[in-house]
Amino acid sequence: DTGVSQNPRHKITKRGQNVTFRCDPISEHNRLYWYRQTLGQGPEFLTYFQNEAQLEKSRLLSDRFSAERPKGSFSTLEIQRTEQGDSAMYLCASSFSRGASTDTQYFGPGTRLTVL
Amino acid sequence: KNQVEQSPQSLIILEGKNCTLQCNYTVSPFSNLRWYKQDTGRGPVSLTIMTFSENTKSNGRYTATLDADTKQSSLHITASQLSDSASYICVVSVGNAGNMLTFGGGTRLMVKP
Repeated sequence: DTGVSQNPRHKITKRGQNVTFRCDPISEHNRLYWYRQTLGQGPEFLTYFQNEAQLEKSRLLSDRFSAERPKGSFSTLEIQRTEQGDSAMYLCASSFSRGASTDTQYFGPGTRLTVL
Repeated sequence: KNQVEQSPQSLIILEGKNCTLQCNYTVSPFSNLRWYKQDTGRGPVSLTIMTFSENTKSNGRYTATLDADTKQSSLHITASQLSDSASYICVVSVGNAGNMLTFGGGTRLMVKP
């Protein structure tokens, strides 16, 4: 399968714990995006990488959130000291861009986080 | 504030019928507009992408229109099938680089036999 993969698919944690999600983009895609989606709402942009550089961060990304893409391939999203409001689906997408704004983003299946 | 609003929130139609979903946006600077289909529990899948200069784009039974003057878009589904049941999300790309996406809340479509 050459699509975007995310792990784990589901995560249940207790409030205050740290969690880390992984995203493996489509091979050779240079851009990688993270989104958060709550039930019944559209996804909200969190951050994106061009290769290993993190170029944009949403104000939604509080100090408890950190994302990395150390080698320009897979990415991790860590949430520290989780809160119940962090419960959501976390979506990753990747695209290949030569600088055009119309590159298609391919989404992964998401990681559903439940904070008890 | 950049916003994308969709209507209706939900829609039920009979198999074989046509339907049109609406999207209004207030985004600046506008880069492009996309329609995505999202099945329950899955990530969104791109249907169409339109830039400022494009008025219409088709993908099989899906036809999207864009009026950049009124900042409105529509997605028309022809001869609906049961597999069309999903959420349809209008997404506007913001900024000169067009990398930041603002998502609408989606229209949940249910096609009944």
